[in-house]
Order: sequence, then C-alpha cells, then structure tokens
Amino acid sequence: GAVVSQHPSRVICKSGTSVKIECRSLDFQATTMFWYRQFPKQSLMLMATSNEGSKATYEQGVEKDKFLINHASLTLSTLTVTSAHPEDSSFYICSARDIGVMVTDTQYFGPGTRLTVL
Amino acid sequence: GNSVTQMEGPVTLSEEAFLTINCTYTATGYPSLFWYVQYPGEGLQLLLKATKADDKGSNKGFEATYRKETTSFHLEKGSVQVSDSAVYFCALSRSGNTPLVFGKGTRLSVIA
Repeated sequence: GAVVSQHPSRVICKSGTSVKIECRSLDFQATTMFWYRQFPKQSLMLMATSNEGSKATYEQGVEKDKFLINHASLTLSTLTVTSAHPEDSSFYICSARDIGVMVTDTQYFGPGTRLTVL
Repeated sequence: GNSVTQMEGPVTLSEEAFLTINCTYTATGYPSLFWYVQYPGEGLQLLLKATKADDKGSNKGFEATYRKETTSFHLEKGSVQVSDSAVYFCALSRSGNTPLVFGKGTRLSVIA
C-alpha cells in the first residue's frame, strides 16, 4: 500500500534554532502534499498545501516566512520551522495523494513529527 | 463552506460493546467521506472510505454508510476490542488535490 514517511519522528531543539522536517512518499509519486499541525487532544489544522515545482499555498494565519515549505521532487516535501519558539512545539503531520491513481482522492498520512522547542 | 461535525468524546466502552460514532457533514456537491484512526503517538491511518451516496465502507469490523439524505457517515462496530482504543476522525474531500476537512475527533477508550 501507499506509504508516507516523515523524518525525524521526534526532535527537541533550543529556542531560536531552525528545524527541518522531511515528508516522503515511498512507493508513489505526489504532486501535492499537505502539512498539518495538531495540538494535544485536538484535531488537525491545515497549515499549507505543498505543490511540486511551485510555491506552497498557506492557510490564513500561517506565517510563510516562519514555516518554509519546499517540494523539490514528486516524492519529497520539506517543512522548515525557522527560529523556532516554544509556542511552535506541536505534532506536525504531512499527507500525500498518489497521482498515479487518478480516480482516488484518498490521502495517505505520515506518522508525524513531534517538535519540542525548549 | 465545507465542514464536518463529530460527536464529542471521550467515549468509554467495555470490550465487546457496540460502537457508534456519529458524523455529519456540510458540503456542496458530492464529497468523498473518510474515517481515519490515530493511535497514541502516531499519525493518521485510513480506516475506511466511501465515495458516493449509499456506498458502505468497511474495514477491520468497522463500517460506515454514506447517507446523502441525512448528510451522515456514522462509524459503527459490532464488538469493540481494547486494541480499538484510539482517536477517530471523520473527514471529507471534494477532490484529490484539495485538503481533507476534518472533524474534531472522537477519543474512544475500550476497557477489558
């Protein structure tokens, strides 16, 4: 089945540093990937839509200069949290859709990355 | 706009009890409907889906029927197990390149 991986699974960093999170589709290609953020015991909040070869589309209220997204290939999207602060601590999840299966709109999720900023 | 409303949890059941988690949606046209499950500390896994009215999605003993007349997609399982303890999210999608719209999630705890 379709597998999406994220790396790292867990990261702890000091305030002011930048953290890069990778999202990879392992056995399929994805022109579009989505980045979500989840606070404890809450639902997923869409942050941005990542499009291969073009700029990401950010949701209202999400700072694009703080959350840099790069979708360099059909199997990789990266989210960089720049100058991270404690309030950026959260669970970040990506998802991707298999472009090879045109009739499906199923999205496959990565296992998530837990970011803790001290 | 599009939205999904789920029953609020937490839901606590004894093993082998019957489970229903209600989900209703608001959307234009004919969205696809999904149930995702999130086990503690993990990402989301697709549990089941339905793409058109009257379709029934099923997996691992769970099932849900796409009811257009009531705009609902309730999740059911006849006999829950402790291993079913997780958070369940109902979601809709208008098309493959649009993000999913999620409900707030329902936490299920099954006790032995």
